[in-house]
Amino acid sequence: AQKITQTQPGMFVQEKEAVTLDCTYDTSDPSYGLFWYKQPSSGEMIFLIYQGSYDQQNATEGRYSLNFQKARKSANLVISASQLGDSAMYFCAMREGSSGTYKYIFGTGTRLKVLA
Amino acid sequence: DTGVSQDPRHKITKRGQNVTFRCDPISEHNRLYWYRQTLGQGPEFLTYFQNEAQLEKSRLLSDRFSAERPKGSFSTLEIQRTEQGDSAMYLCASSSETGRTGELFFGEGSRLTVL
Repeated sequence: AQKITQTQPGMFVQEKEAVTLDCTYDTSDPSYGLFWYKQPSSGEMIFLIYQGSYDQQNATEGRYSLNFQKARKSANLVISASQLGDSAMYFCAMREGSSGTYKYIFGTGTRLKVLA
Repeated sequence: DTGVSQDPRHKITKRGQNVTFRCDPISEHNRLYWYRQTLGQGPEFLTYFQNEAQLEKSRLLSDRFSAERPKGSFSTLEIQRTEQGDSAMYLCASSSETGRTGELFFGEGSRLTVL
């Protein structure tokens, strides 16, 4: 069963605007971590932000914030004040922790294009 | 530079040949992961190690694939009798169990083309 779902294959946003990239997940493990990664055309995977399942507040890292809605099992990434350099693929990932294994599962990604 | 390094960065081979990729993780990281990524898709989990122990291997992984991490440091991923469907980017990542977030640190990948 697919555990990470990213329903937006592609998104456009105007420079300086905010954009939300959707991610839903499925797990029965009470302990898990959610991650967002950016993959520019050059190919490297860049870690952006982390949210733990027990974290009370939504994570923020500079222009990135994570809209964590635990009951709905969603972990949307919000990028504020988009820049041309934000154009890339974005992947949501989950790590389950209680089972003693630490496997990370990735979604299929969303390609973001920032327009000048 | 203390990041994750992978070698070779590019490999072109003929169908039926064996190929081996090497990954050197960040030195203090005890967990090492291999992923495969095809164009336009997310990384697909292949296997992971904690120290020298291979703790999990994807059920999707053919018996032609084998990975080792003999001394808990670098790792190798070997593909025997390559097929055209093996063409992909092979990503290595490492993580530490002591960090708060435990995020994966990725190498730049090894791109395999099977002719």
